[in-house]
Amino acid sequence: QKEVEQDPGPLSVPEGAIVSLNCTYSNSAFQYFMWYRQYSRKGPELLMYTYSSGNKEDGRFTAQVDKSSKYISLFIRDSQPSDSATYLCAVTNAGGTSYGKLTFGQGTILTVHP
Amino acid sequence: DTAVSQTPKYLVTQMGNDKSIKCEQNLGHDTMYWYKQDSKKFLKIMFSYNNKELIINETVPNRFSPKSPDKAHLNLHINSLELGDSAVYFCASSLIAGGIGETQYFGPGTRLLVL
Repeated sequence: QKEVEQDPGPLSVPEGAIVSLNCTYSNSAFQYFMWYRQYSRKGPELLMYTYSSGNKEDGRFTAQVDKSSKYISLFIRDSQPSDSATYLCAVTNAGGTSYGKLTFGQGTILTVHP
Repeated sequence: DTAVSQTPKYLVTQMGNDKSIKCEQNLGHDTMYWYKQDSKKFLKIMFSYNNKELIINETVPNRFSPKSPDKAHLNLHINSLELGDSAVYFCASSLIAGGIGETQYFGPGTRLLVL
């Protein structure tokens, strides 16, 4: 079983739709949760991070964590064609001997069409 | 100015060859990483250096050898290349290793194709 499982998609939605991206993780030691966005032929870039259960909002993006069910989500409101990318969830337990090691899900390819 | 740069961007080579990929960051970060992304977009850490010291060494064939001449540079040398080594290799850096909420900044990637 992989440490982080992510719906691989691909996901294709019309402009303006609400997008839901999801991951589950197996190790309760993971405390910090991130979403990276990767445009085609580019490196991943950090979109959001959170370290507690609940919601964190940044503009059209909301990251949600439920530690009890080991479930993390990213919601995109009013999706735009410029949101078309691969979205990668990542987890870490930070500090100590983890040395910042990120464990990624397999990525969801999102296409928002006009 | 590019924060994390990698050379070359593309690498096409024959099985059995030896090749190197170079990475440089101008962010003043202490920690650098090598990741491998396969054809299904799965991104997995290979190595990490903190101020020239190896701190993460995942289960990677010993044909892969990282080297950090200084904390701004991290190179990856691959011996006896195999077909399965074909992937995109990303370099990343962060200010420190394992800090709370620490952002890792990724380079543009090196696309390696082994024929």
